[in-house]
Amino acid sequence: EIVLTQSPATLSLSPGERATLSCGASQSVSSSFLAWYQQKPGLAPRLLIYDASSRATGIPDRFSGSGSGTDFTLTISRLEPEDFAVYYCQQYGTSPFTFGPGTKVDIK
Amino acid sequence: EVQLVESGGGLVQPGGSLRLSCAASGFTFNTYWMQWVRQAPGKGLVWVSRINRDGSSTNYADSVKGRFTVSRDNAKNTLYLQMNSLTAEDTAVYYCARDSAAGYWGQGTLVTVSS
Repeated sequence: EIVLTQSPATLSLSPGERATLSCGASQSVSSSFLAWYQQKPGLAPRLLIYDASSRATGIPDRFSGSGSGTDFTLTISRLEPEDFAVYYCQQYGTSPFTFGPGTKVDIK
Repeated sequence: EVQLVESGGGLVQPGGSLRLSCAASGFTFNTYWMQWVRQAPGKGLVWVSRINRDGSSTNYADSVKGRFTVSRDNAKNTLYLQMNSLTAEDTAVYYCARDSAAGYWGQGTLVTVSS
């Protein structure tokens, strides 16, 4: 099983600042099949990035994904008030298709 | 408009069974892989299962293998999750989601395993 770790666990930032979230895999993620999701309390997750770096439909360009192999990054270039949420990475290249534990981005 | 609507959750005793359904609309159901993801109260997302377009291939998390069965009825545009031998650790909101990189999710259905 590919274990995903996310760091930091919590990121405290102010609106307008840049957020850099990391996702590490215990072994190489096949074909960069890695996704990032945003989740707000009481709501279903929302797909932001798929295939490590492709933005999903309707996602603002302040969200970007990068990385390959075992190291992946989600960057939010300038935090908007609606971006404060929990972010999860998921690999879907090798079953079981595991999620990371999440990074909470909260307001400083 | 793509819609995924889960149903079938509820309170069940330890050792019991439950079948969840996910009714899909707004897209050609039989052209997409589907998955189930769960989230225990206050916890993170946990992948549960995935099924291919025609139902001939399935995958499971180790924690549910042998107890849960995913299936689909493409004629009814419906995804299912049969859950047997339930324990308290299975208590969670269960989401169905479209595709491996899940661009669409249902609203979730709560399963509570308790005596």
